[in-house]
Amino acid sequence: DADVTQTPRNRITKTGKRIMLECSQTKGHDRMYWYRQDPGLGLRLIYYSFDVKDINKGEISDGYSVSRQAQAKFSLSLESAIPNQTALYFCATSDASGSSYNEQFFGPGTRLTVL
Amino acid sequence: KQEVTQIPAALSVPEGENLVLNCSFTDSAIYNLQWFRQDPGKGLTSLLLIQSSQREQTSGRLNASLDKSSGRSTLYIAASQPGDSATYLCAVNGVTGFQKLVFGTGTRLLVSP
Repeated sequence: DADVTQTPRNRITKTGKRIMLECSQTKGHDRMYWYRQDPGLGLRLIYYSFDVKDINKGEISDGYSVSRQAQAKFSLSLESAIPNQTALYFCATSDASGSSYNEQFFGPGTRLTVL
Repeated sequence: KQEVTQIPAALSVPEGENLVLNCSFTDSAIYNLQWFRQDPGKGLTSLLLIQSSQREQTSGRLNASLDKSSGRSTLYIAASQPGDSATYLCAVNGVTGFQKLVFGTGTRLLVSP
């Protein structure tokens, strides 16, 4: 089984709809991240969380919100989807312990299309 | 603000060639650097992580080097194979504040049989 899973893998929605992307991990890591990937722009950080009680904005958080329901679960919500949020979304995890050097591990991604 | 650049953006080689992918970054104050592989429509697979105190890391046919002072890293792939075809991403982990990854836009590699 994959260590970092994302659901759904593909989603098509309409402008104005609320949508939630979910991420689960079995790696036991405390840190979790949400990125989006756009052609020519690379991956950009949306939100990150050090633990269940810690949520922080990344460089492109406008239009998004997150929830850390448990150490293993981190959800990304688009309250009112717009077409320029069409992208590939990735969840990642890392371990803050010194021996892991904060190496990040990624899920398979969710391809979101907003019409 | 850290910026990461990868050159070339695309590379096509025949099978068996040794090749080098380049990554440069503007702020040398890094914690570590990761190289990832991304297959079309798939997630990112971590290939190598180099700590700021290290000069290189090796895994099989892959060798990554780091010259922090000049802001450069290279990924060397020996005896390339068609299965190596993918996009290779470089990402830098900063030392100040939250250690977040800053990604380059990648090099798309095609290895022809």
